[in-house]
Amino acid sequence: NAGVTQTPKFQVLKTGQSMTLQCAQDMNHEYMSWYRQDPGMGLRLIHYSVGAGITDQGEVPNGYNVSRSTTEDFPLRLLSAAPSQTSVYFCASNPSASGSYTQYFGPGTRLTVL
Amino acid sequence: RKEVEQDPGPFNVPEGATVAFNCTYSNSASQSFFWYRQDCRKEPKLLMSVYSSGNEDGRFTAQLNRASQYISLLIRDSKLSDSATYLCVASNTGNQFYFGTGTSLTVIP
Repeated sequence: NAGVTQTPKFQVLKTGQSMTLQCAQDMNHEYMSWYRQDPGMGLRLIHYSVGAGITDQGEVPNGYNVSRSTTEDFPLRLLSAAPSQTSVYFCASNPSASGSYTQYFGPGTRLTVL
Repeated sequence: RKEVEQDPGPFNVPEGATVAFNCTYSNSASQSFFWYRQDCRKEPKLLMSVYSSGNEDGRFTAQLNRASQYISLLIRDSKLSDSATYLCVASNTGNQFYFGTGTSLTVIP
């Protein structure tokens, strides 16, 4: 199993550009989520999904969209990039939607918005 | 107020020392608790889950105090390889995980 994969690993955008961060898992996990990690702020939940076709907002959803058309994929879209979205983005998956299981993280995408 | 709060440290300890980290959570409805380890510029990885009765995994011991809403991690006989950031996590029934900001540990030879 590849586990959780994320692409790209690094990205530089200009303010106002849009892009999609890709996340895929091959463990047939129901639950997937996106976090951003900023210095001094820890990981903050952006959006999550408890199964295909179901998504919900986390702590910091503004400026981001998600969709979950398959169990495997959970892309994160930045609609109009802003410098405040410069961060490290982690995708994670979890075997169950119950919240009682450990999460498996992808390697992260380091995004810089100029 | 943040859902999960940790002392950011840094903790600098000599090899062989015992070090303890504490973490508090604000939501009394939190159901599951974890400690994750994160190495520099890497993804977080599960260190251990935290059970109500307390649990141990080798040199690591985790405790949960629901009455006081805090979680602790004890590392005995510290190794150089234990140098990392340790993240405390609480999960509620709403499928959301809340991470602390992390505690930085450096083990010194």
